[in-house]
Amino acid sequence: GAVVSQHPSWVICKSGTSVKIECRSLDFQATTMFWYRQFPKQSLMLMATSNEGSKATYEQGVEKDKFLINHASLTLSTLTVTSAHPEDSSFYICSATRGTYEQYFGPGTRLTVT
Amino acid sequence: DAKTTQPNSMESNEEEPVHLPCNHSTISGTDYIHWYRQLPSQGPEYVIHGLTSNVNNRMASLAIAEDRKSSTLILHRATLRDAAVYYCILRATSGTYKYIFGTGTRLKVLA
Repeated sequence: GAVVSQHPSWVICKSGTSVKIECRSLDFQATTMFWYRQFPKQSLMLMATSNEGSKATYEQGVEKDKFLINHASLTLSTLTVTSAHPEDSSFYICSATRGTYEQYFGPGTRLTVT
Repeated sequence: DAKTTQPNSMESNEEEPVHLPCNHSTISGTDYIHWYRQLPSQGPEYVIHGLTSNVNNRMASLAIAEDRKSSTLILHRATLRDAAVYYCILRATSGTYKYIFGTGTRLKVLA
């Protein structure tokens, strides 16, 4: 099956610092990757769509300067939360797809900003 | 983006079948219906998907209404490990193929 990993699985950082989260497709080349965030007891909210070698497309209301997405290769996308604040604390989940097929989700990254 | 509507929560007894409904009255002719489930503190897990015909796999069955405006995920024998939030999602076959998650159904399985 298709496996997607995320690193780190959890991270604690201080307010004002930046945090980078990696998303990798381990056994397939992902034409598109997606980033979601999820608050406790809520559903997943799509943040952005990322294609290899091109700029990410952000959903309405998501600050692109705060959530920097880099999709450097067909197996790696990174999400950097810049100048993190406590309200950015959330569960961040990535997914990858081979195009017209279903999305495969990573295990998620728990971010806590103190 | 077409949206889906699901009950917030459902309960089932262990070893009994569970029918999880989903309404998607604005579905377009080429949207696929996908089901995922999410355990606490994990990413969503693919369950099943279909377009028009009913589908079966080792995890579940998917029954799609003839007009495609609703579908039902069927777990034939619920186990405690099936307790999760189940999401019904419509996937377009053009554009970005992005998913828009609804609220999902929280399934509780009683021993």
